[in-house]
Amino acid sequence: AQKITQTQPGMFVQEKEAVTLDCTYDTSDPSYGLFWYKQPSSGEMIFLIYQGSYDQQNATEGRYSLNFQKARKSANLVISASQLGDSAMYFCAMRELSGSARQLTFGSGTQLTVLP
Amino acid sequence: DSGVTQTPKHLITATGQRVTLRCSPRSGDLSVYWYQQSLDQGLQFLIQYYNGEERAKGNILERFSAQQFPDLHSELNLSSLELGDSALYFCASGRGTTDTQYFGPGTRLTVL
Repeated sequence: AQKITQTQPGMFVQEKEAVTLDCTYDTSDPSYGLFWYKQPSSGEMIFLIYQGSYDQQNATEGRYSLNFQKARKSANLVISASQLGDSAMYFCAMRELSGSARQLTFGSGTQLTVLP
Repeated sequence: DSGVTQTPKHLITATGQRVTLRCSPRSGDLSVYWYQQSLDQGLQFLIQYYNGEERAKGNILERFSAQQFPDLHSELNLSSLELGDSALYFCASGRGTTDTQYFGPGTRLTVL
């Protein structure tokens, strides 16, 4: 069964600094996708970035990048130049791509607080 | 704005009652997913529909049911509600190779 682990319940970062949020995963499926979502205090789930298991390069989207280390089964999110608006809960998620079911399995999340 | 709409935004009801949550996916998306987010269980997958047909089931209680209509909107029906059903219910939709799921704003259900 697929599993996502986020070991940092809370993280603090100074404004304008970079921060890394950890995520490890476990799956027996050789084909899978990894996602990060942001959930501000308002509650909505915002898609940030995607990495496929066969992608050769690490994904980047603006200030977000995904540090994908396949052998270590880790998919850490790096946020550069943190802003106050980045304060939110961040979820790592995975979806196995074999078969027709495409549901996401989520980690427990990391609460990021950006300090002025 | 993800393009996924959910109604109502908030719902307060009593134990034993039945409610219906509604979701409209993004234009062109054939897949609809329902998730439940609670403090003790985190984010849990409930059920997936693809073009009107049930595709996958997760930790969905027998008291809960869902369907996807020909216009692709979906409804999640929760019956015989219990206090523990209080949660944020998300609908998400997706398409394409990566099938990235875009979430609606959620329906916050409070059972008193």
